[in-house]
Amino acid sequence: DVKVTQSSRYLVKRTGEKVFLECVQDMDHENMFWYRQDPGLGLRLIYFSYDVKMKEKGDIPEGYSVSREKKERFSLILESASTNQTSMYLCASSDPGPLSEQYFGPGTRLTVT
Amino acid sequence: GQQLNQSPQSMFIQEGEDVSMNCTSSSIFNTWLWYKQDPGEGPVLLIALYKAGELTSNGRLTAQFGITRKDSFLNISASIPSDVGIYFCAGQYLNYGGSQGNLIFGKGTKLSVKP
Repeated sequence: DVKVTQSSRYLVKRTGEKVFLECVQDMDHENMFWYRQDPGLGLRLIYFSYDVKMKEKGDIPEGYSVSREKKERFSLILESASTNQTSMYLCASSDPGPLSEQYFGPGTRLTVT
Repeated sequence: GQQLNQSPQSMFIQEGEDVSMNCTSSSIFNTWLWYKQDPGEGPVLLIALYKAGELTSNGRLTAQFGITRKDSFLNISASIPSDVGIYFCAGQYLNYGGSQGNLIFGKGTKLSVKP
C-alpha cells in the first residue's frame, strides 16, 4: 500500500511564527504536492515538485515556500504564519506519467492564532 | 483556470438507497478520479478512469468516464452508514507534449445520513 505520512495531525501556531509541515512518502514517487483545503473552496494546489530540488508554483503559492532535498520528503514552509493560513493542509504523491493517481496523506489541521 | 462543477453539493441518504453524483467540466480531461474523504482524514482514492466511455466498479461503487471526456459520474448502490463523507471528483489533463497536468478538483459532495 502507498503510504503518505504527515508530521503532525494538529498544529497550533502564533501569528508571525515560521511553520514547517513535513510530508514523507514510501513509494518512491517522483511527484509530490501540497494542497490546502477550506470549506466551500475545495482543494487548492499550493506547490508541487516533479523531482528532487525541483519545485513549481501551484494556484496559491503566496505566503508559502517548499523544500525537496530528498525524493521521499517534501516540506511546506510558512515563513511568517498569518491567521488566513489557518486551514487543513494535505500532501500527496504520485508516479510520473499520464496515467497516474495521487495518493494523499492524512492531513495537518493548522490553526494560526 | 479550469473548473469542475460537482453536484449535488450535499445529499442525505437513507440506508439502502442508491446515490448518484456527477462532475462536469468545460475542458476535456484524460483522467477522472473519484476520492472519498472522512472527517479529519485525507482523501482516499476510490476509482480511476482513463478512457472515454469507461465504466469501472469497485464493490458497490460504479463510475463512468463520459464519452465527451468532459464529465463523469459516481454511483453508490445500496448505501450503508459508513458511506457518509465527502466525495470529490478530480480531472487531469495532459499538457501539450504529453506531460502530466495537475489535478483539478471538484468542490465535493457531502453525504449525510437522514435523521
